[in-house]
Amino acid sequence: SAVISQKPSRDICQRGTSLTIQCQVDSQVTMMFWYRQQPGQSLTLIATANQGSEATYESGFVIDKFPISRPNLTFSTLTVSNMSPEDSSIYLCSGWDRYNEQFFGPGTRLTVL
Amino acid sequence: GESVGLHLPTLSVQEGDNSIINCAYSNSASDYFIWYKQESGKGPQFIIDIRSNMDKRQGQRVTVLLNKTVKHLSLQIAATQPGDSAVYFCAETLTGGGNKLTFGTGTQLKVEL
Repeated sequence: SAVISQKPSRDICQRGTSLTIQCQVDSQVTMMFWYRQQPGQSLTLIATANQGSEATYESGFVIDKFPISRPNLTFSTLTVSNMSPEDSSIYLCSGWDRYNEQFFGPGTRLTVL
Repeated sequence: GESVGLHLPTLSVQEGDNSIINCAYSNSASDYFIWYKQESGKGPQFIIDIRSNMDKRQGQRVTVLLNKTVKHLSLQIAATQPGDSAVYFCAETLTGGGNKLTFGTGTQLKVEL
């Protein structure tokens, strides 16, 4: 299956600031997603990143807080805006490839002070 | 895929024994299920999947069982090895529903030497 990389792998940020996380896939994928995983917990879907149009957000997540871009079939960004300590989490990008497998990037570990 | 607390259920097994990890899924309409393995500091890794028209599927050292009547999945790992130590998640989705995954709580598997 395809390989996903994420940048940065980790970051420590001050509250009130914003961080943009990049997700790069080594081949074109039909769909891309962003998940959040809080420490010691399961994964929760934030949104589906749609190519060339606005992302589709899950309940409890809004565009103003988590703006997402997907300019092409291999790249997406997630911004965590106006951060608070409650946003400390691991953010994971995933893709759905032509073999019908959903595979994940290594995650971005975010700590907000 | 909502979290239920900070402490994942833990399964401890002796090296060489078989492991059985269980998962209750939430949506009776889900028709595709995946088991993921997540090692510390990494993203989830695809292990095995099963569609709702099957009740058993085998891979290399792993078997997934699906009981749709009680909405239950299990992952069996034969001859468990130290490298199997990780957190295991089941995930469910509805084909045609945007390929969005809903994750279970997760189980921490610890392999004792």
